[in-house]
Amino acid sequence: EVQLVESGGGLVQPGGSLRLSCAASGFTFSSYEMNWVRQAPGKGLEWVSYISSSGSTIYYADSVKGRFTISRDNAKNSLYLQMNSLRAEDTAVYYCARDLPRKGYFDYWGQGTLVTVSS
Amino acid sequence: EIVLTQSPATLSLSPGERATLSCRASQSVSSYLAWYQQKPGQAPRLLIYDASNRATGIPARFSGSGSGTDFTLTISSLEPEDFAVYYCQQRSNWPPEHTFGQGTKLEIK
Repeated sequence: EVQLVESGGGLVQPGGSLRLSCAASGFTFSSYEMNWVRQAPGKGLEWVSYISSSGSTIYYADSVKGRFTISRDNAKNSLYLQMNSLRAEDTAVYYCARDLPRKGYFDYWGQGTLVTVSS
Repeated sequence: EIVLTQSPATLSLSPGERATLSCRASQSVSSYLAWYQQKPGQAPRLLIYDASNRATGIPARFSGSGSGTDFTLTISSLEPEDFAVYYCQQRSNWPPEHTFGQGTKLEIK
């Protein structure tokens, strides 16, 4: 069974940093592209970042470019999101999501971790 | 940036009725469009990809159609568990980005 479990969310002050993790199991993690998608409270979905299976190709949404860094450790079956210079508008539930192979859609999602940016 | 506009914002129907949800793109996305269902407190679930292909395990009452800029998600006969928020999503190769519509809330009438 495919499982994605996020962790690392919490309350952080504006300008602060946080690192999210996503532990994957039930599939060959190193063969799949991965993403982070977020959802502000009561709002819609926003794609945040993409990383290829090897980690060699990375994309970001304009809203987080220069502040967030996506990475992965295929030996540990883990995906990460380093978030710096956090703003109030980054407050959201952050989901890790697996890419449907070669399709660019999200076929499995974690349960999400809440990040709250507030003083 | 491609903008996806979903309509209506809220759709009120009864179990057993047919639901038709719309997603319109600001420019052509060919058939590169997906639909997701999200229930309160849960992660989204992929229903349809490439406009008309059902994802694994999705019941046959869900169907998608369209291409270019106009897309439709149809639920042929609503079950109680279908009342949720539905999002469309497109993916583009360049610029590399994914965008979502703002969602349609399907509620029980």
